[in-house]
Amino acid sequence: LAKTTQPISMDSYEGQEVNITCSHNNIATNDYITWYQQFPSQGPRFIIQGYKTKVTNEVASLFIPADRKSSTLSLPRVSLSDTAVYYCLLSGGYNKLIFGAGTRLAVHP
Amino acid sequence: DTAVSQTPKYLVTQMGNDKSIKCEQNLGHDTMYWYKQDSKKFLKIMFSYNNKELIINETVPNRFSPKSPDKAHLNLHINSLELGDSAVYFCASRPPGLADYEQYFGPGTRLTVT
Repeated sequence: LAKTTQPISMDSYEGQEVNITCSHNNIATNDYITWYQQFPSQGPRFIIQGYKTKVTNEVASLFIPADRKSSTLSLPRVSLSDTAVYYCLLSGGYNKLIFGAGTRLAVHP
Repeated sequence: DTAVSQTPKYLVTQMGNDKSIKCEQNLGHDTMYWYKQDSKKFLKIMFSYNNKELIINETVPNRFSPKSPDKAHLNLHINSLELGDSAVYFCASRPPGLADYEQYFGPGTRLTVT
């Protein structure tokens, strides 16, 4: 069963770019790479999803190398409100949306 | 105009009781889910329900049962509650499509079993 590995925590400062890398060595051909954000006392919120290369939306960018064994979520110019837990997960079917431990990002003034 | 709502937000009950958590989505989605988030913040899928097809995570005890009165609702019933059931339970839904990735989560229900 494919799983992901990401840093437990990260610290940053307002205005900086934050890159969170996720490893998924056993990714399957039909797996998409998905990132979610969770604030305290709230449900997770979808941020971005990709299959390969680079995806960008109004919130973040997702970089996926050709072998797809890792991915990097890039948050440009973070603010205090970006303090949250970020989950990297693989999805490819009803029961394959598996959340890992996530990365706790703390943004400091 | 809440997309995915859950009631109650907090639920405190004693061991052995039976309780239900309600979930409703007004997004017109056709797949709904229940997740459990434990004290270590691991989020695990419990059930997914689509067009009357229920897919169960085999690790979920049969004391847990989802019930869907209609497409917009997926309620979670829990019988004979145990201390280990204390957690935050999230309902989620997904729009039609092949990929399972974009789900919309409710605000969660914090269940405390004493």
